[in-house]
Amino acid sequence: EVQLVESGGGVVRPGGSLRLSCATSGFTFDDYGMTWVRQSPGKGLEWVSSISYNGAATGYADSVKGRFTISRDNARNSLYLQLNSLRAEDTALYHCARRGITTAATSFYIDVWGKGTTVTVSS
Amino acid sequence: QSLLTQPPSVSAAPGQKVTISCSGSSSNIGNNYVSWYQQLPGTAPKLLIYESNKRPSGIPDRFSGSKSGTSATLGITGLQTGDEADYYCGTWDSSLSAGVFGGGTKLTVL
Repeated sequence: EVQLVESGGGVVRPGGSLRLSCATSGFTFDDYGMTWVRQSPGKGLEWVSSISYNGAATGYADSVKGRFTISRDNARNSLYLQLNSLRAEDTALYHCARRGITTAATSFYIDVWGKGTTVTVSS
Repeated sequence: QSLLTQPPSVSAAPGQKVTISCSGSSSNIGNNYVSWYQQLPGTAPKLLIYESNKRPSGIPDRFSGSKSGTSATLGITGLQTGDEADYYCGTWDSSLSAGVFGGGTKLTVL
């Protein structure tokens, strides 16, 4: 069974840092690109960042660029998101997500989602 | 403000059909495939449609997707009370080099 299990969320003051982790199992991790998507309380989905299967390529939403860093450890089947300079608007449930495999260059979709870990930024 | 526009809510009776629209631009839907996700209350999103009209294994054919120009549509036939959920469209925006999602549509089965 494919599983994505996030951890590392918590309550942090504005300007603080957190490191989110995503432990994966049930599939060949280094075959897949991975993504973080967040969902603010009562709001919709927001793409945060993606990383290629080998970590060579990364991308970030403008709202987090320069503050968040995505990385992966293929030997540990794990995905990470380092969150720095946190703001109140970063408060959200952060989902680890697997990018679907496709041969189409114009296709982006998520085929597996984790349940998420909650980040609360508050003074 | 999402780059992809969805109606905030739709409703229909059990057994009926409903469609949910997703409107974008040439930099996203116009030149990229669309995916659709169902989020039941208190759960993680689930992939319903990918590459605009393909269903993953296990998704019933009551769910369908289509795309025309800069808009996409999710169709659900034979509505069931268990279909009550939030539905999101998603795609890639080539100008932003970023994933984008619609604001979500809450489906109520009356």
